[in-house]
Amino acid sequence: GQQLNQSPQSMFIQEGEDVSMNCTSSSIFNTWLWYKQDPGEGPVLLIALYKAGELTSNGRLTAQFGITRKDSFLNISASIPSDVGIYFCAGGDDKIIFGKGTRLHILP
Amino acid sequence: GAGVSQSPSNKVTEKGKDVELRCDPISGHTALYWYRQSLGQGLEFLIYFQGNSAPDKSGLPSDRFSAERTGGSVSTLTIQRTQQEDSAVYLCASSLRGTYSYEQYFGPGTRLTVT
Repeated sequence: GQQLNQSPQSMFIQEGEDVSMNCTSSSIFNTWLWYKQDPGEGPVLLIALYKAGELTSNGRLTAQFGITRKDSFLNISASIPSDVGIYFCAGGDDKIIFGKGTRLHILP
Repeated sequence: GAGVSQSPSNKVTEKGKDVELRCDPISGHTALYWYRQSLGQGLEFLIYFQGNSAPDKSGLPSDRFSAERTGGSVSTLTIQRTQQEDSAVYLCASSLRGTYSYEQYFGPGTRLTVT
């Protein structure tokens, strides 16, 4: 079946740094989604991508749908404390599957 | 407008008891999903409802788990004879059929603790 690999599992960064995380799939996807989950909350949709090569921004967040349709990345520029949380990628064709998440920590 | 709501927000139950978890999707959303999230883990797909089609139950971990969706809206996830390994956060999501049908909107979850 479809598999989704998300990396890194955890990131420890300084406030103000840029962040990059990515997901790769074992098969071609038609949709890539990026979510953020704060503690005690459900995931919130950040960015949705539907076309290969598509680059979409949402404030300081930028995500791209890879040309091969088997990968996607999410960048966060100039991180701030409220960026802390778990970021999930999700993707698929007729069915969406989720990555295991990237846990972002910001060092004081 | 109102988002996805779930109740209860927390549930503590004794091993062996049955529990029911409720999800109210966003009005007009025809697709509804249940996921399970264990502490510090990703999202484990449980079941998917789309309109009047037969639900996709492929993610249910055992026959102790069942779900129904009444009137194409509210959904109830039932866990019978709960076990300690059922302790997790149960998340519900809904999405609008069509171009954006993959954009799932999540509720806050129900934290289930089985003692």
